[in-house]
Amino acid sequence: DTEVTQTPKHLVMGMTNKKSLKCEQHMGHRAMYWYKQKAKKPPELMFVYSYEKLSINESVPSRFSPECPNSSLLNLHLHALQPEDSALYLCASSQVIRDRRNNVYGYTFGSGTRLTVV
Amino acid sequence: DAKTTQPNSMESNEEEPVHLPCNHSTISGTDYIHWYRQLPSQGPEYVIHGLTSNVNNRMASLAIAEDRKSSTLILHRATLRDAAVYYCILRDVSSGGSNYKLTFGKGTLLTVNP
Repeated sequence: DTEVTQTPKHLVMGMTNKKSLKCEQHMGHRAMYWYKQKAKKPPELMFVYSYEKLSINESVPSRFSPECPNSSLLNLHLHALQPEDSALYLCASSQVIRDRRNNVYGYTFGSGTRLTVV
Repeated sequence: DAKTTQPNSMESNEEEPVHLPCNHSTISGTDYIHWYRQLPSQGPEYVIHGLTSNVNNRMASLAIAEDRKSSTLILHRATLRDAAVYYCILRDVSSGGSNYKLTFGKGTLLTVNP
């Protein structure tokens, strides 16, 4: 399995709703990431998990709450979002920076969840 | 983060080679050069990476200047499926938590004409 699977593909939620985005990988990657991408813009990093611990939070508002229950799963809990939070949310995973043979690896991205906040 | 500069857009014809340039004059010794591409309505896809030497894989070739201040992604025969935004990214692989970051710039929108 060489994929990152994100569910749902599309989500429409109201500003008072609570929802969660899910991401799963079975490649043994120990780093996982959430990115946000607005239309015609590059992806912007939100969170990084390394060995199931949050290692980077790019000053993301608290209405976005990440969770990494185990090494294969990454969730993004959403609460009280605003219409401007509508975007494509991308999950990615990677090996640690270098392996024991000093090899460097790329990231594997999912296809994203298209979120619309109404 | 060391920055990269890419042209906003480029155009190519199908079955012709494409050379996508990237300037990174402030690159450090521990920065790897990564290339990703993003097809319409998909997540980014890893293409290739390198440190000092030129690299080849099934998707593309990466030519790195001797002073490492620029690089070129080469698609040997462009197809319509290669139409995408191509991102050149520097990734510092020295130890440290922030080095897990992969920061995207604006990229180059490649159009392939039939």
